Amino acid sequence: DTTVKQNPRYKLARVGKPVNLICSQTMNHDTMYWYQKKPNQAPKLLLFYYDKILNREADTFEKFQSSRPNNSFCSLYIGSAGLEYSAMYLCASSSIPYEQYFGPGTRLTVL
Amino acid sequence: SQWGEENLQALSIQEGEDVTMNCSYKTYTTVVQWYRQKSGKGPAQLILIRSNEREKRSGRLRATLDTSSQSSSLSITGTLATDTAVYFCAAHNAGAKLTFGGGTRLTVRP
Repeated sequence: DTTVKQNPRYKLARVGKPVNLICSQTMNHDTMYWYQKKPNQAPKLLLFYYDKILNREADTFEKFQSSRPNNSFCSLYIGSAGLEYSAMYLCASSSIPYEQYFGPGTRLTVL
Repeated sequence: SQWGEENLQALSIQEGEDVTMNCSYKTYTTVVQWYRQKSGKGPAQLILIRSNEREKRSGRLRATLDTSSQSSSLSITGTLATDTAVYFCAAHNAGAKLTFGGGTRLTVRP
């Protein structure tokens, strides 16, 4: 089973409110990623966990938090959502250096 | 072509035609991957080509990589309506990171 699951699939949030997105995989992959994808643009890496080590991209360092309580789960947390956070959020996992398996995404709309 | 913050390009072709999509990359990489994203789903890897390979084939797909010009292409022969999707190239950077290109929205008309 190469499924990566994401919950919820759709999320509506108010400006200034927190948002928590969940990703899970049962492939025992050591690395899990979060990407942000806006319409007509490429996925942009936000952060990734290699095992228990979190790596955040420099330009989004302060905007997103994440936790990985166990190998299978990874969350993406936005402390105070702004309109600019409206996007599709893609979770991916991998165990080999290159191929990443993606979930279907969570579409976040901030109003 | 596609890379970085560029928006999606759009291509519309007739079923049965061949198509080639190009991308260029700015950072050093030894591996380029092509991903396909169908509506409602996440991207899925199609083909991976390494810097020591000039060409890689998989079924109807053919990827090329030119490290001297830092460019890659993906060709699909005999397209089907089910090939309709967005296609991204992605360069593998240091460690476990991928940098995705802007993508091409391909529509194959039946």
